[in-house]
Amino acid sequence: KAGVTQTPRYLIKTRGQQVTLSCSPISGHRSVSWYQQTPGQGLQFLFEYFSETQRNKGNFPGRFSGRQFSNSRSEMNVSTLELGDSALYLCASSLAPATGGRGAFFGQGTRLTVV
Amino acid sequence: DAKTTQPPSMDCAEGRAANLPCNHSTISGNEYVYWYRQIHSQGPQYIIHGLKNNETNEMASLIITEDRKSSTLILPHATLRDTAVYYCIADATSGTYKYIFGTGTRLKVLA
Repeated sequence: KAGVTQTPRYLIKTRGQQVTLSCSPISGHRSVSWYQQTPGQGLQFLFEYFSETQRNKGNFPGRFSGRQFSNSRSEMNVSTLELGDSALYLCASSLAPATGGRGAFFGQGTRLTVV
Repeated sequence: DAKTTQPPSMDCAEGRAANLPCNHSTISGNEYVYWYRQIHSQGPQYIIHGLKNNETNEMASLIITEDRKSSTLILPHATLRDTAVYYCIADATSGTYKYIFGTGTRLKVLA
């Protein structure tokens, strides 16, 4: 069965632009989360969606937003890009927020470079 | 979620067991211990998880102390492909709730 698919894999944008990243979870998975990974801050939680509803949000400015569609695919958007937004953006999916089960599956990430 | 503490780096000889410690002294009763690893900035890969009993799967073993304040991930026969950053997370759910990743342990397996 196909894993978590993130597109595009690599992206270069200019400061001030906006960007949209896509994540297709494993078939049947309804919970999707996004993480940002930078050398300085490590892996940080951005937000989590379940059944098209945002359930949790990390400590990021409002320029970072996301949504989930009825087929569980998710997108995240970053507006007014800053150099500091350069990072690896990771998406993770799981069946549902059940307690004690196997951990989430992560995609390969989208490497965003802001110049 | 509980904060976890791990040594920043460890070396292990190929073929030997790699024992990676994690401290989670403030873990709550409903929080599981999860281990992930990340190779070359790929997405983190799930390894194993447990609540209070020791667990074993095809990848590793997880030993959790009786007071649950610490745990050890054991890779029984480390190979070069096990070189990665290993993260220990304490989390109350298995879903993609807000995992709090620490800095992890960079394991280097030496030939």
